[in-house]
Amino acid sequence: DQQVKQNSPSLSVQEGRISILNCDYTNSMFDYFLWYKKYPAEGPTFLISISSIKDKNEDGRFTVFLNKSAKHLSLHIVPSQPGDSAVYFCAASPENNAGNMLTFGGGTRLMVKP
Amino acid sequence: EPEVTQTPSHQVTQMGQEVILRCVPISNHLYFYWYRQILGQKVEFLVSFYNNEISEKSEIFDDQFSVERPDGSNFTLKIRSTKLEDSAMYFCATCPGQGYSPLHFGNGTRLTVT
Repeated sequence: DQQVKQNSPSLSVQEGRISILNCDYTNSMFDYFLWYKKYPAEGPTFLISISSIKDKNEDGRFTVFLNKSAKHLSLHIVPSQPGDSAVYFCAASPENNAGNMLTFGGGTRLMVKP
Repeated sequence: EPEVTQTPSHQVTQMGQEVILRCVPISNHLYFYWYRQILGQKVEFLVSFYNNEISEKSEIFDDQFSVERPDGSNFTLKIRSTKLEDSAMYFCATCPGQGYSPLHFGNGTRLTVT
């Protein structure tokens, strides 16, 4: 099942620079998208979300971009901080089940170097 | 900030034994979920629960699995006869309502079946 795919298993970025994490999906019924951050031995922590009526949502250092025609979303973190080092998961939910039954990508491990 | 609490953090059991994983949802949340993550794989949806009944379940959630909220606070996942392939991190998640509400996850229970 590859409905939500994160093609980069890892990403290394220098502190202060921008981190860009990418996610692709195939199911056109998805209309709500979320990013979660996960530290070892903890559960996923919600970061930011976007519904399909928008193409951008911003919250502090985090911005999510959605390109519906390309079925692609990305998470921008700027400036990146060492505390941002974690595994980032994108997740998607279909329009008749908004936010409730999530399909996750495989995750991208972000390492922010001081 | 309110948290979803899961117990135990780690459970080791022998194949064929029954296990019960427990979750205390955030107090005003009405929707409850179980997800699991087998080591090295994606986080997968198991089941959603609302108003004391299952609202959706995945193909993984077969007859060996059951959920209940026996005392109005704990939300439990029971696996009747564990198999080796049930070894995984099991995450409980809750949200206040339907409609573009992000899920809040607990820190998980690591289940090891030997």
